Amino acid sequence: GAVVSQHPSWVICKSGTSVKIECRSLDFQATTMFWYRQFPKQSLMLMATSNEGSKATYEQGVEKDKFLINHASLTLSTLTVTSAHPEDSSFYICSARGSPTDTQYFGPGTRLTVL
Amino acid sequence: KQEVTQIPAALSVPEGENLVLNCSFTDSAIYNLQWFRQDPGKGLTSLLLIQSSQREQTSGRLNASLDKSSGRSTLYIAASQPGDSATYLCALKGAGSYQLTFGKGTKLSVIP
Repeated sequence: GAVVSQHPSWVICKSGTSVKIECRSLDFQATTMFWYRQFPKQSLMLMATSNEGSKATYEQGVEKDKFLINHASLTLSTLTVTSAHPEDSSFYICSARGSPTDTQYFGPGTRLTVL
Repeated sequence: KQEVTQIPAALSVPEGENLVLNCSFTDSAIYNLQWFRQDPGKGLTSLLLIQSSQREQTSGRLNASLDKSSGRSTLYIAASQPGDSATYLCALKGAGSYQLTFGKGTKLSVIP
């Protein structure tokens, strides 16, 4: 089956620093990638949708200048949390969809802790 | 806006019991519905996907049903095992969209 990886699996950083999370589709070309955030005991909330080579579409309430998304190739998307603060601490999960299928394949997630 | 509700939020059962997890949604204009399993601190594992034209899907001890008219889906787990302990999420894909809307999940604990 299709595999999606994320790196790193966990990261701890100081407040004010920036953190980059990578999402890779290992055995298929991902025309669309999705970034979700999950707070404890909460559901996954879609942050943004990105198509290869174009700007990401952000959900309402998500700051595009704070959460920078780059989908530069068909196998890689990155999420950069800029000037991270403790309230950004969360579990970030990406998923990828390859054309023509509608199925989303999910990565294992990245635990971000901002001190 | 689609809203997805999962009840109960948590469930604890003894090993061997059959159980049902519930998912309800407000907008019946869905493309498909998917059940996922999430282990603590991990990503999602897809269990079953039901297209809007289907009524149910089965995989091993799992059976998922879909009733669009009533806005409900159930996940039936037969002969539960401790290894089934996890959080189960249902997610809906709307017609004309690639986005998934998730419920908050049901945390299942199967006691040996």
